[in-house]
Amino acid sequence: EVQLVESGGGLVQPGGSLRLSCAASGFTFSSYWMSWVRQAPGKGLEWVANIKQDGSEKYYVDSVKGRFTISRDNAKNSLYLQMNSLRAEDTAVYYCARVGGSGSYFDYWGQGTLVTVSS
Amino acid sequence: QSALTQPASVSGSPGQSITISCTGTSSDVGGYNYVSWYQQHPGKAPKLMIYEVSNRPSGVPDRFSGSKSGNTASLTISGLQAEDEADYYCSSYTSSSTVVFGGGTKLTVL
Repeated sequence: EVQLVESGGGLVQPGGSLRLSCAASGFTFSSYWMSWVRQAPGKGLEWVANIKQDGSEKYYVDSVKGRFTISRDNAKNSLYLQMNSLRAEDTAVYYCARVGGSGSYFDYWGQGTLVTVSS
Repeated sequence: QSALTQPASVSGSPGQSITISCTGTSSDVGGYNYVSWYQQHPGKAPKLMIYEVSNRPSGVPDRFSGSKSGNTASLTISGLQAEDEADYYCSSYTSSSTVVFGGGTKLTVL
């Protein structure tokens, strides 16, 4: 059974940093692109970043470029999101998601971790 | 990276059919057969319902179907059931190698 478990969320002040983790199991982690998707309270889904199987390609939504870094450790079956210079508008539930075959869809999702940016 | 356009809400009675539209541009929806649809119940993670315009993952009822014409994709749910009441989101791969979601549609089963 595919499982994705996020951790690392919490309350952080504006300008601060946070590192999210996603522990994957039930599939060959190193064979899949992975993504982070977020959802602000009461709002819709927003794709944040993608990373290729070997980490050699990474893509980001414009609003986080230069502030967030997606990475992975295939030996640990783990995905990460380093978030710096956090803003109030980054407040959201952050989901880890596995990217399906064609690279265009998310076939498995974690339960999410809440990040709150507030003073 | 503008969001795809979906109606804010749709409704239907049990047994009826509804269609949710998702409009983008030639750089996303119209340029690729890479549109997917997600169902999200309150407080839950999204669930993949349709991928690559019209493909259903294993376990998704065949009441759910997807299509595309030009820059607009559609999700149709036939034989509406109470448990279909949820938020639905479309997404598309883009020419920038990114992904864009629609704003979401709240489906109410009357």
